Amino acid sequence: GNSVTQMEGPVTLSEEAFLTINCTYTATGYPSLFWYVQYPGEGLQLLLKATKADDKGSNKGFEATYRKETTSFHLEKGSVQVSDSAVYFCALRLTGGGNKLTFGTGTQLKVEL
Amino acid sequence: DTAVSQTPKYLVTQMGNDKSIKCEQNLGHDTMYWYKQDSKKFLKIMFSYNNKELIINETVPNRFSPKSPDKAHLNLHINSLELGDSAVYFCASSQEGGNSPLHFGNGTRLTVT
Repeated sequence: GNSVTQMEGPVTLSEEAFLTINCTYTATGYPSLFWYVQYPGEGLQLLLKATKADDKGSNKGFEATYRKETTSFHLEKGSVQVSDSAVYFCALRLTGGGNKLTFGTGTQLKVEL
Repeated sequence: DTAVSQTPKYLVTQMGNDKSIKCEQNLGHDTMYWYKQDSKKFLKIMFSYNNKELIINETVPNRFSPKSPDKAHLNLHINSLELGDSAVYFCASSQEGGNSPLHFGNGTRLTVT
């Protein structure tokens, strides 16, 4: 079946530190890959996406590259801020099968001053 | 101009009651979804509708009954509420195609006492 595996949190960083959140996937076919962010008490917002191998998604200083050879889509940011504290979800979506989004378990990020 | 809106935001009720959550999207999408987020933030698909037709039903108890009067609305009715139904329920919508992201509402926090 299709699945997404994320590193467990919480991840605690100091402001301006470098962030990596690992994400790997298993899929029957060629999925599109997404990162969503959930700020405290809010819904999920699309952060970035990549639809084919070697694509790089980027938004708000965050980046992730679709690596087919390692089935990975790791999220990175060069310098985190306190306002980046949230839960980050990696997800995949295949064409067909109802087009559902399959999520990883989420990684909580805490950024401290 | 909210894209995906769901009501109510909070719902507190007693075991055995019946309750409904409403969802509307103004994005012109053909597909709508209900997801459940548990206390550990894990997100699981419950239902998916495409143009008012049910296309995903992920082993959800039949106490849960989705209804889609038109493609812009997907409501969730829950009968005989149980303690384990306490969670945050998210509505979402998307265009067809695996490379399109899902757009989420802000969630309904259901607490069953």
